[in-house]
Amino acid sequence: AQKVTQAQTEISVVEKEDVTLDCVYETRDTTYYLFWYKQPPSGELVFLIRRNSFDEQNEISGRYSWNFQKSTSSFNFTITASQVVDSAVYFCALSEARDDKIIFGKGTRLHILP
Amino acid sequence: AAGVIQSPRHLIKEKRETATLKCYPIPRHDTVYWYQQGPGQDPQFLISFYEKMQSDKGSIPDRFSAQQFSDYHSELNMSSLELGDSALYFCASSLMGREISGNTIYFGEGSWLTVV
Repeated sequence: AQKVTQAQTEISVVEKEDVTLDCVYETRDTTYYLFWYKQPPSGELVFLIRRNSFDEQNEISGRYSWNFQKSTSSFNFTITASQVVDSAVYFCALSEARDDKIIFGKGTRLHILP
Repeated sequence: AAGVIQSPRHLIKEKRETATLKCYPIPRHDTVYWYQQGPGQDPQFLISFYEKMQSDKGSIPDRFSAQQFSDYHSELNMSSLELGDSALYFCASSLMGREISGNTIYFGEGSWLTVV
């Protein structure tokens, strides 16, 4: 069965600090897909990244970076030089090749303090 | 770029009433998903459709039903509403054939349902 664990329920950092959101997943499939979504206070789910299980290359997009490590089943998300607008709930999610649906973690609520 | 369109954005219903949510996927997307997100919870998968056929079913109550129409839009029908049905309902879409699963799923802005 697939499972996503985000151990950090809530994190608060001061603006301009770096922050890492942890994500650990479980799956029996050898082919799977990992996602991060951002949910700001307005409620919409904003797609941030998708990573395939066969591609462990880390990715950087502006202030965002993702560290995928199959050996530890982790897909961590780092925001560099955080800004108040980064305040949101961040969901890590997983889908297996055998079906289409996404399973979400419980989310990490991130507060960026001015 | 066109996104997933959901309507209505906000809906208030009384207990035991019926509600219908509509979803218009991104053009050319063939797969639609419905998720329910309760207050402070993560989104929970309800049901999905691929090429107008139900493709997967999650924790969808028997009081709920959904379908995907020939133009690929989908509707989620909820009957005998209960207070616990108050939630944010997301529709999502993707372009996904059985042989290329794992394509990115894009979510709409959600429909807020309040049952009073």
